[in-house]
Amino acid sequence: NAGVTQTPKFRILKIGQSMTLQCAQDMNHNYMYWYRQDPGMGLKLIYYSVGAGITDKGEVPNGYNVSRSTTEDFPLRLELAAPSQTSVYFCASFRSAGGDTEAFFGQGTRLTVV
Amino acid sequence: AQKITQTQPGMFVQEKEAVTLDCTYDTSDPSYGLFWYKQPSSGEMIFLIYQGSYDQQNATEGRYSLNFQKARKSANLVISASQLGDSAMYFCAMRGSNYKLTFGKGTLLTVNP
Repeated sequence: NAGVTQTPKFRILKIGQSMTLQCAQDMNHNYMYWYRQDPGMGLKLIYYSVGAGITDKGEVPNGYNVSRSTTEDFPLRLELAAPSQTSVYFCASFRSAGGDTEAFFGQGTRLTVV
Repeated sequence: AQKITQTQPGMFVQEKEAVTLDCTYDTSDPSYGLFWYKQPSSGEMIFLIYQGSYDQQNATEGRYSLNFQKARKSANLVISASQLGDSAMYFCAMRGSNYKLTFGKGTLLTVNP
C-alpha cells in the first residue's frame, strides 16, 4: 500500500494564482483531513471529510475549498493565493471502524506564495 | 467544541531518563480518541500511541506509554529511557465523535547527552 500520497511536494505560487493540492489514499478510509502547519507551530485543521460527497470546515477554512467525489481523493483548492497561505500542508486519512488506532499522514506539501 | 492543550512549549531531558509530556483535553463527547505524534526536524508526522476513551488500560507502545486520567481529562505521554533520537516536536491530538481530528500546539523535546 502506498498510504497517503500528496502532490506536489514543493510549489512556489505568485500572489493571485490558484492551484490544487492533491491527496490520495489507497486504504479505503472514510475520513480525510487537510491541515496547515506554519513554522514552529502546530497543525491547524482546514477542512475534513467523513466520506465521499461530505465535507466540513475546520478552524481555518478561509481561502480554501475542497471536494470529495471519491473515497480515495481529497483535493484542496487554493484560490487567489496570498502570502499568508505560505505554509506546509498535510493531508491525513483515518480508519472509521473499530480498531482505528492511527491517522495516516502524507509527507506534506511545502507551499510558498511570493 | 473540542480542545487540546499542551502547556509545555519546550522540555529538556537527560539521555536515558524518563520524561512526561503533558496534554489536557476538553470535550463533551462520550466517545473520543487521543493520539500522540512525533515530528522530527525532517517534518514527517510519526504516529506513536493511541488511547480510546473507553479503554480500561493505559496504552503502551515500546518506550511510550500514555497516562490516561479520564476524570482529569489528561492524556500525558511518558517516554522511558530517552534517546538522542527522541529529540523532536511532540503533538497531542483528539478525535471526537464526529471524527474531527484536532491537534495541540506541541512540545519541543530536547534530549541532552
